[in-house]
Amino acid sequence: GAGVSQSPSNKVTEKGKDVELRCDPISGHTALYWYRQSLGQGLEFLIYFQGNSAPDKSGLPSDRFSAERTGGSVSTLTIQRTQQEDSAVYLCASSLRTGLSTDTQYFGPGTRLTVL
Amino acid sequence: AQSVAQPEDQVNVAEGNPLTVKCTYSVSGNPYLFWYVQYPNRGLQFLLKYITGDNLVKGSYGFEAEFNKSQTSFHLKKPSALVSDSALYFCAVREVGYSTLTFGKGTMLLVSP
Repeated sequence: GAGVSQSPSNKVTEKGKDVELRCDPISGHTALYWYRQSLGQGLEFLIYFQGNSAPDKSGLPSDRFSAERTGGSVSTLTIQRTQQEDSAVYLCASSLRTGLSTDTQYFGPGTRLTVL
Repeated sequence: AQSVAQPEDQVNVAEGNPLTVKCTYSVSGNPYLFWYVQYPNRGLQFLLKYITGDNLVKGSYGFEAEFNKSQTSFHLKKPSALVSDSALYFCAVREVGYSTLTFGKGTMLLVSP
């Protein structure tokens, strides 16, 4: 079946602009995660959704970052007033049951964000 | 707090030779352990996981990993490397009762012909 999809695959924006990144999880997966991958920082957890609620937002680096999930499916990560240090690959993952289960997280291909 | 260490930035091995990519972890309780592989410009692909039971876990593409509780390690192994195994490998841990994965920095595996 279809895996996790993300769009756009690449995004180039100017410093100070807002961007929206989209994630479509595997159908039926209730848990959804956002991570950021950057040189020197490795893979960082950003936020976790269970259904439409976000019990763990501890990884969001600043209040410029926000995310929502609607209908228990698609999620959007929004970065306001982008800065050059926001340049990274943003990865989305989903798992079948709650984040507390033993289920595997499956990752999408990522969105490469470049802030000029 | 949970953490993972991958002590090698890069591992070089000749095709046909066995390979090992090292991973050690730190958790307060019991761990769930995972290995993922990332090919250039691609997302992470799941290889295998340890949840409980047999310490030797077999996964995709002929990879296996051994959970060693006393050494807090979960090294990834393959008996005979292929050039196509060249990629970036990530070890990850999730402590029982927590919802998020913590990843190591990654190890680049280069398999030469």
